[in-house]
Amino acid sequence: RKEVEQDPGPFNVPEGATVAFNCTYSNSASQSFFWYRQDCRKEPKLLMSVYSSGNEDGRFTAQLNRASQYISLLIRDSKLSDSATYLCVVNTGNQFYFGTGTSLTVIP
Amino acid sequence: NAGVMQNPRHLVRRRGQEARLRCSPMKGHSHVYWYRQLPEEGLKFMVYLQKENIIDESGMPKERFSAEFPKEGPSILRIQQVVRGDSAAYFCASSPDRTAGYTFGSGTRLTVV
Repeated sequence: RKEVEQDPGPFNVPEGATVAFNCTYSNSASQSFFWYRQDCRKEPKLLMSVYSSGNEDGRFTAQLNRASQYISLLIRDSKLSDSATYLCVVNTGNQFYFGTGTSLTVIP
Repeated sequence: NAGVMQNPRHLVRRRGQEARLRCSPMKGHSHVYWYRQLPEEGLKFMVYLQKENIIDESGMPKERFSAEFPKEGPSILRIQQVVRGDSAAYFCASSPDRTAGYTFGSGTRLTVV
């Protein structure tokens, strides 16, 4: 079983829509959680950390459910510039495990 | 703060040659990680290093690949006798401690011809 699993998509949504991505992880001892964004042929960039209490940064909201071992990312009022691949990342011990990413395209 | 610096950005090698990829972490970051991303695939962990120590190399192929992070200078990922299957983007990331989020470099795109 993979450490981190994500639905690869693609998600194609119109501008202004709300879209949600989920990610599951297999190791209950995982310690910290992140969402990264990767644009085509560029390096991944940290979007936000994910905390148990949930956290929000502008149009982005991240949630962590330790009991069910999943992480979510909600994007409200989608912009064209949100088009990218979103990577779920889980830190377990020495390693950060990356999901394969969920592709989002926001359509005008 | 210049961020994580990787060079070269693009590297072309013939089969059988050696590839050396360099990574200078962000100032104040002593933890360095190397990842490989094959076309249309996710990031795969290769190795985690701290100054002069390899902490975890469980993702490194057993042969031809090695990594170091000397006391002075950048971290080096070395691939000997490259083969076509080594063609990929190699990303380096650094962090100030084990659980903080990474900052990635721009990557080195290795093409083996």
